Amino acid sequence: LAKTTQPISMDSYEGQEVNITCSHNNIATNDYITWYQQFPSQGPRFIIQGYKTKVTNEVASLFIPADRKSSTLSLPRVSLSDTAVYYCLVGDNYGQNFVFGPGTRLSVLP
Amino acid sequence: KAGVTQTPRYLIKTRGQQVTLSCSPISGHRSVSWYQQTPGQGLQFLFEYFSETQRNKGNFPGRFSGRQFSNSRSEMNVSTLELGDSALYLCASSWGQGDHEQYFGPGTRLTVT
Repeated sequence: LAKTTQPISMDSYEGQEVNITCSHNNIATNDYITWYQQFPSQGPRFIIQGYKTKVTNEVASLFIPADRKSSTLSLPRVSLSDTAVYYCLVGDNYGQNFVFGPGTRLSVLP
Repeated sequence: KAGVTQTPRYLIKTRGQQVTLSCSPISGHRSVSWYQQTPGQGLQFLFEYFSETQRNKGNFPGRFSGRQFSNSRSEMNVSTLELGDSALYLCASSWGQGDHEQYFGPGTRLTVT
């Protein structure tokens, strides 16, 4: 079971690009990497999922190096509303072996 | 399309009681997973149901159980409540079994006194 680590917290300013890294040294061959965003008193919201290299959607990019031992969620031009906790999840898509990271609390300052 | 709904949103129970929480998934989603979230332990997986069968289970005692109905709606039950069961219980739905592109409900905040 891949153990994940993330920075506990990060600060940024509006308009900046934010990169949040998740380390998963013992990721397995079948494991995918998924990122979620959670606001207070709400359930997590799916952001992006990837297996290798780079994935981009309308809200974020996910960079995964060739060894897949880490992944970086990139949020372009953050706003105050991006203040939230961001979780990475590593696990196979059979639902049997997966774990959520501890979460990174991102604070976006004006 | 309506999102995942959970009822009730808040609940206060006494030690030793039991509780049932309900979850309605996004229309068309057949998998429902349950999670417990606490400040100390973070997000912990309870179990997943797909096609009315429990497919995967986390490391929780047997006091935690669940079921899924033919319309994919799901319930989870916690018997003999303990103070440590106080948490936010989250339900998530997805298209297929084990799919980590999940859509979460707002959660049920359970307080055990």
